[in-house]
Amino acid sequence: DAGITQSPRHKVTETGTPVTLRCHQTENHRYMYWYRQDPGHGLRLIHYSYGVKDTDKGEVSDGYSVSRSKTEDFLLTLESATSSQTSVYFCAIRGVAFTGELFFGEGSRLTVL
Amino acid sequence: TQLLEQSPQFLSIQEGENLTVYCNSSSVFSSLQWYRQEPGEGPVLLVTVVTGGEVKKLKRLTFQFGDARKDSSLHITAAQTGDTGLYLCAGGEGTGNQFYFGTGTSLTVIP
Repeated sequence: DAGITQSPRHKVTETGTPVTLRCHQTENHRYMYWYRQDPGHGLRLIHYSYGVKDTDKGEVSDGYSVSRSKTEDFLLTLESATSSQTSVYFCAIRGVAFTGELFFGEGSRLTVL
Repeated sequence: TQLLEQSPQFLSIQEGENLTVYCNSSSVFSSLQWYRQEPGEGPVLLVTVVTGGEVKKLKRLTFQFGDARKDSSLHITAAQTGDTGLYLCAGGEGTGNQFYFGTGTSLTVIP
């Protein structure tokens, strides 16, 4: 158990509404990541954080913002959700090994109608 | 940009058969990881390889990192129904801060 909790686990919302997904870790790890998973695309990196208030963009960051005000929490916000953002979102933390293994949460399934 | 391509995308085999999954890229990676994911759960790390030509074995699973560190393979010997799942490769870029995932191989082992 890597001590990662995602909330909510399931959410249905309408186009144009704001949505925030939360990732909480109990491991005090520095690096945290948000990925989305879609059929045929594997996992794609949205944003990642390398410390409190330190974040950077991934390969599919458009339409998403993140915040990290505490080590244990990494928030992903969709300011105005679109149907193309319907996906399963995974949070991950990076382990302490130099090779950087990732430990994932159980995912948050978001449906935008 | 999808940096890692996996093949095959889907694989259905009988229990006891052998199989190989490939992960290919035009990019060089500092490390390469293999994960297995079951429905409704997050991926779980199987192995990490870091040296070109490296071979690692995990019971019936054999992982190899290409000499040029651009590709990798996963070989399963005598597959079991418990091997069913989605297999994902992931490459670590130079600084080790970002990890790019392959498209995934969905394996079904039929009893």
